[in-house]
Amino acid sequence: SAVISQKPSRDICQRGTSLTIQCQVDSQVTMMFWYRQQPGQSLTLIATANQGSEATYESGFVIDKFPISRPNLTFSTLTVSNMSPEDSSIYLCSGGTGTEAFFGQGTRLTVV
Amino acid sequence: AQSVSQHNHHVILSEAASLELGCNYSYGGTVNLFWYVQYPGQHLQLLLKYFSGDPLVKGIKGFEAEFIKSKFSFNLRKPSVQWSDTAEYFCAVGPLNAGNMLTFGGGTRLMVKP
Repeated sequence: SAVISQKPSRDICQRGTSLTIQCQVDSQVTMMFWYRQQPGQSLTLIATANQGSEATYESGFVIDKFPISRPNLTFSTLTVSNMSPEDSSIYLCSGGTGTEAFFGQGTRLTVV
Repeated sequence: AQSVSQHNHHVILSEAASLELGCNYSYGGTVNLFWYVQYPGQHLQLLLKYFSGDPLVKGIKGFEAEFIKSKFSFNLRKPSVQWSDTAEYFCAVGPLNAGNMLTFGGGTRLMVKP
């Protein structure tokens, strides 16, 4: 299986600040995605990280709030900007091979 | 828009009981279907997947699922659960050729009592 490494694993942040989450995948992965899992809820796709171009965002998510970069095939970052307590969630990076999606352990973010 | 519904939010079973978790989806096209499991404190792991062919698919740890196209369902089953199956289970669908861009169901929390 593909290895997805994400950091930080958790953080506690002040409202109004920003946090950048890094994701490194191994070379099997062709596509990368970012998901959010709010407390007690399921996963929601935030965006598809596109290599060398702007990410493709799902309805309800915008670039100004969740800027994403993917400078090469195996690395991506997600920034949660101008955070509020409502952004407290687990953020997960996913890598897809075309037949399977693999997930990192996630970043547990608490905004105080 | 696509959606995935899991009928049970919480299930409590005794060891050796049989398990069936329901999953129905709505999607305007051909899909790939998945079941993921998330053990406490761990990341999501793939249990099984359906792309095409035999609608009864077998996964890891004795799990299986049946795709019933006419009912838009992909229910997960296990004949005899163990305490170690305590986890949250997610059904997910993804469009063909979309690199596993998944829509997840709400999840089912399974607790197996020893």
